[in-house]
Amino acid sequence: AQKVTQAQTEISVVEKEDVTLDCVYETRDTTYYLFWYKQPPSGELVFLIRRNSFDEQNEISGRYSWNFQKSTSSFNFTITASQVVDSAVYFCALTLLYGGSQGNLIFGKGTKLSVKP
Amino acid sequence: GAGVSQSPSNKVTEKGKDVELRCDPISGHTALYWYRQRLGQGLEFLIYFQGNSAPDKSGLPSDRFSAERTGESVSTLTIQRTQQEDSAVYLCASSTVSGTETQYFGPGTRLLVL
Repeated sequence: AQKVTQAQTEISVVEKEDVTLDCVYETRDTTYYLFWYKQPPSGELVFLIRRNSFDEQNEISGRYSWNFQKSTSSFNFTITASQVVDSAVYFCALTLLYGGSQGNLIFGKGTKLSVKP
Repeated sequence: GAGVSQSPSNKVTEKGKDVELRCDPISGHTALYWYRQRLGQGLEFLIYFQGNSAPDKSGLPSDRFSAERTGESVSTLTIQRTQQEDSAVYLCASSTVSGTETQYFGPGTRLLVL
């Protein structure tokens, strides 16, 4: 069975600090996709990144960066120089290309990030 | 283009009543998904429609839950004989052809069962 674990339930930082949100996943499949979504207080999920299991290149987008390591089954997300607007719940999710969970996203429980001014 | 829309945005109902939740996917998206998010929790998959294929209903928690989709357009999620534990935010998402493509979410319907 597939599983996504976000061990950090809540993180609180002060503005301009860097913060890393951890995501560990479990699957026996070799072809899968990983995602990060942001859920601000308004409630709507905002897509951040999609990464397939064959692409281990790290990615940077502005203040956001992602570190994908298949060896440790982790897909961690770092926000550099955090801002108050980054305050939200962040979800990591997994979907398979084949198999019983194909199509639906398997979500972690989320990490609530609070950035204080 | 418009994103995924859902209606109503909020619904308060009494235990035992039926409710219908509606989702309008992004135009051209053939895949549509329903998820449930209980307070403070992650999202639970409910059902997945892909084009004209039989839907994947593996996530529906009981036979009180059902969903329909007409072609590649609107979907309705119906909860019969609602229970208090059905209180949650029901989120709809859509994506292009493949199930592994990025899912774009609607704003959700907040359901409260009294």
